[in-house]
Amino acid sequence: QSALTQPPSASGSPGQSVIISCTGTSSDIGGYAYVSWYQHHPGKAPKLIIYDVYKRPSGVPDRFSASKSGNTASLTVSGLHAEDEADYYCSSYAGNSDYVFGTGTKVTVL
Amino acid sequence: VQLVESGGGVVQPGRSLKLSCVDSGFMFSDFAMHWVRQAPGKGLEWVAVTSHDGRNIFYADSVKGRFTISRDNSKRTLYLQMDSLRVEDTAVYHCARESVGTLDYWGQGTRVTVSS
Repeated sequence: QSALTQPPSASGSPGQSVIISCTGTSSDIGGYAYVSWYQHHPGKAPKLIIYDVYKRPSGVPDRFSASKSGNTASLTVSGLHAEDEADYYCSSYAGNSDYVFGTGTKVTVL
Repeated sequence: VQLVESGGGVVQPGRSLKLSCVDSGFMFSDFAMHWVRQAPGKGLEWVAVTSHDGRNIFYADSVKGRFTISRDNSKRTLYLQMDSLRVEDTAVYHCARESVGTLDYWGQGTRVTVSS
């Protein structure tokens, strides 16, 4: 499985929004409704912020939203906070207990 | 839910290392468990998975034949035996719990450095 494609970086000022894309294939994103997004602060455990394409785990602010169209998924972070500065990874189930991850996007809050 | 990895370190190419991941706070034996790694400056890479009972196991092609994932449900512990280590195996290794279509809880990771 090849990694899902994400832009290497994104940035915005506090209060602004950033959108991160995640492009895969019909064997992963396009084939399953199991797209997840993770927030990763270096040195810490990755944190699940979106699962099943658009659902938020308990405790994740509604500033985080996501969607999918065809082979591409997107994460929107609205109303940027300083603490949103982190690396973000998408992931998709790809069958046979296989999960493929995105290349990662570093979000900078200006 | 808390997952804590251990066992990382510095090892020479060709040698072995065994990682452990201990859970607390959930029914460990009910969940499939994964290992995911992150090489320096790189993204996340899925490594291996074991079903809740250890009967179904899959590996990434990059580690197949060299790494062995296992679990001891009585000890609430997940393992990764890494043999014939290569420089390119250098990474932080995370364990993660699977919950239908997603990896919902992760450990902080343990660092493995393969260097001569």
